[in-house]
Amino acid sequence: KAGVTQTPRYLIKTRGQQVTLSCSPISGHRSVSWYQQTPGQGLQFLFEYFSETQRNKGNFPGRFSGRQFSNSRSEMNVSTLELGDSALYLCASSSTRGTNYGYTFGSGTRLTVV
Amino acid sequence: GEDVEQSLFLSVREGDSSVINCTYTDSSSTYLYWYKQEPGAGLQLLTYIFSNMDMKQDQRLTVLLNKKDKHLSLRIADTQTGDSAIYFCAESIQNNDMRFGAGTRLTVKP
Repeated sequence: KAGVTQTPRYLIKTRGQQVTLSCSPISGHRSVSWYQQTPGQGLQFLFEYFSETQRNKGNFPGRFSGRQFSNSRSEMNVSTLELGDSALYLCASSSTRGTNYGYTFGSGTRLTVV
Repeated sequence: GEDVEQSLFLSVREGDSSVINCTYTDSSSTYLYWYKQEPGAGLQLLTYIFSNMDMKQDQRLTVLLNKKDKHLSLRIADTQTGDSAIYFCAESIQNNDMRFGAGTRLTVKP
C-alpha cells in the first residue's frame, strides 16, 4: 500500500509570506501528526489531528495551524513566515490515536525561508 | 530532565556490531521506539519495544530495555554501509505524543 505522501518536497518562500503543506496518510489511517525537524531543535511536535479534529498541540505560535479533511488528508499552514521557520516538516500517520505501534512518516517537505 | 538523550555520533567498521544508546525520561512510557532516517528521507520505524519487555530481537536488530535506569539500546549486528543513517530513539508520552532524541549519526566505514 502507498506510504505517507507529502507535497511539495521542496519549497522556497520569502519572509512574511504564508505557506500550505499537504499530507496524505496511509489509506485507512485516521490520525495525522506533524513535526518540525531542524538541526538545532531536532524533532518537535506541532499538532495531531484525528477525525478532522485537532487533538493535541505542541508549543508553537499561532502562526502554525492545520486542518484535517474527511478523507484524513491533512494540511498545515504557516503564516507570516520567519527565517527560523526553515525546516523539514514531517507528517506521520497511524491507524488510531495513540502511539502504540509507532507512526509511519512521510519523506517531508523541506521549507526554506529567505 | 525533559530530554531523551543520545550520543550524536558513532563510527564503526563494516561487519562490526553497532550499539546505539539512549536514555529516556518518562518511567511511565508504554512504548519505546527506534527510527532510522536516511539522507533526504523521513523517519522509518525500525522496531519498538513494549515497556514490560527486557529485550526484543528482529533479525540483525536487538533492542535492550533497562526500565530501572530508563536506558534503551539498539544493537545492529554485522553492520553494513547501508546502515549508515541517523537513528532516533523515541518514547511514548502522555496525550498520545512521542518524544524524540536528537539522533545518533551512524557512519559505517568499509
